[in-house]
Amino acid sequence: DIQMTQSPSSLSASVGDRVTITCRASQIISSSLNWYQQKPGKAPKLLIYAASSLQSGVPSRFSGSGSGTDFTLTISSLQPEDSASYYCQQSYTPRRFTFGPGTKVDIK
Amino acid sequence: QMQLQESGPGLVESSETLSLTCTVSGGSIISSSYYWGWIRQPPGKGLEWIASIFYNGRTYYNPSVRSRVTISVDTSKNQFSLKLNSVTAADTAVYYCVREPLVVIAMIGAFDIWGQGTIVTVSS
Repeated sequence: DIQMTQSPSSLSASVGDRVTITCRASQIISSSLNWYQQKPGKAPKLLIYAASSLQSGVPSRFSGSGSGTDFTLTISSLQPEDSASYYCQQSYTPRRFTFGPGTKVDIK
Repeated sequence: QMQLQESGPGLVESSETLSLTCTVSGGSIISSSYYWGWIRQPPGKGLEWIASIFYNGRTYYNPSVRSRVTISVDTSKNQFSLKLNSVTAADTAVYYCVREPLVVIAMIGAFDIWGQGTIVTVSS
């Protein structure tokens, strides 16, 4: 199976900061990479699919980039409501999906 | 707007079978536009895809649980279900039912709608 790693595992940033989270796949996955946001006690929410496509209704401060094995999720101007955990997920192998371990984002 | 809702026992005895149902509302489960699936999250840990099913019964399973899991669909009730047998404490988790859209090719493999999740505790 394709293994996913994320860095950092956690970060703390101030409102208005630019935040970048990295996700790496154990093999080339083209652009088959999705990002989710999960707030405590809630189900994950799809933010980005196919590495860089913004899901409907998601604020434009969220963006994704990358292809191959290395991907990034960027929050251009961190807002208080962005405090959450963020997970990447590969969808390269149909229905053999795997997730990254997550990155927790806190507001200073 | 389509919604998913999990239901089932919150407590299962060790070595017994965990059974969960997901009810789909706001749309039909009989659609070539979606796969339906289950994802779980142990307390304080990350997400694990368990299984997916198409309305015609085609199934896919995570190899890590393949020998113990069955996913099924009941089109008459607009529901799909998960059964996981021989459970242990390691199966304690929040279980989510999810929708995987197929219409937009770029979205294949992404999960765009999630149920609220149901906590299942395996007791010894």
